[in-house]
Amino acid sequence: EVQLVESGGGLVQPGRSLRLSCAGSGFTFDDYAMHWVRQAPGKGLEWVSGISWNSGSIDYADSVKGRFTISRDNAKNSLYLQMNSLRAEDTALYYCAKGRAGFPYSAIDIWGQGTLVTVSS
Amino acid sequence: DIQMTQSPSSLSASVGDRVTITCRASQGISNYLAWYQQKPGRVPRLLIYAASTLQSGVPSRFSGSGSGTDFTLTISSLQPEDVATYYCQNYNSAPITFGQGTRLGIE
Repeated sequence: EVQLVESGGGLVQPGRSLRLSCAGSGFTFDDYAMHWVRQAPGKGLEWVSGISWNSGSIDYADSVKGRFTISRDNAKNSLYLQMNSLRAEDTALYYCAKGRAGFPYSAIDIWGQGTLVTVSS
Repeated sequence: DIQMTQSPSSLSASVGDRVTITCRASQGISNYLAWYQQKPGRVPRLLIYAASTLQSGVPSRFSGSGSGTDFTLTISSLQPEDVATYYCQNYNSAPITFGQGTRLGIE
């Protein structure tokens, strides 16, 4: 069974940092691009960042550029999102997601259950 | 950035109705367009990619069309289990962008 399991969410104060992790299983992890997509409470989907199969291509949404860093460890079938200088507007459910192809510009066919990040003092 | 605009924002229809949702890109994206379904409290599900290719396991009552800037998602015969919010997504280039969503209900 193809599965993505996120961890690392929680309550954090504005300006602080948090690192999200995602463990993939049931597929050849290093064949596919991976993404982080977030959804604020009661709102729509917002793509955050994507990384190609070999980490050679990385992109970010303008709203997180310079604050968030995506990375992956194919040996561990894992995806990460380092989030610095967190703001209240970063509060959301963060989904780890698998692309249909190895490069970031593809549809997303598998989603994790999400990990909730709440930024509040 | 490419903006994706869906219409309508919400709609209600009767079981068995044909339902169409449209998505317009602010510039041409060829066929790099996907549609997702998100039921309340659930994870998004890929329905269609490459504008018109049905994802494996998705019922055939769902179909997609379009190219360039104008796209449509059609449900040929609405079923009760289709109650959900539907999103289009541009993946032509970074940043990947989603439409604002269309909430579909049953009358």
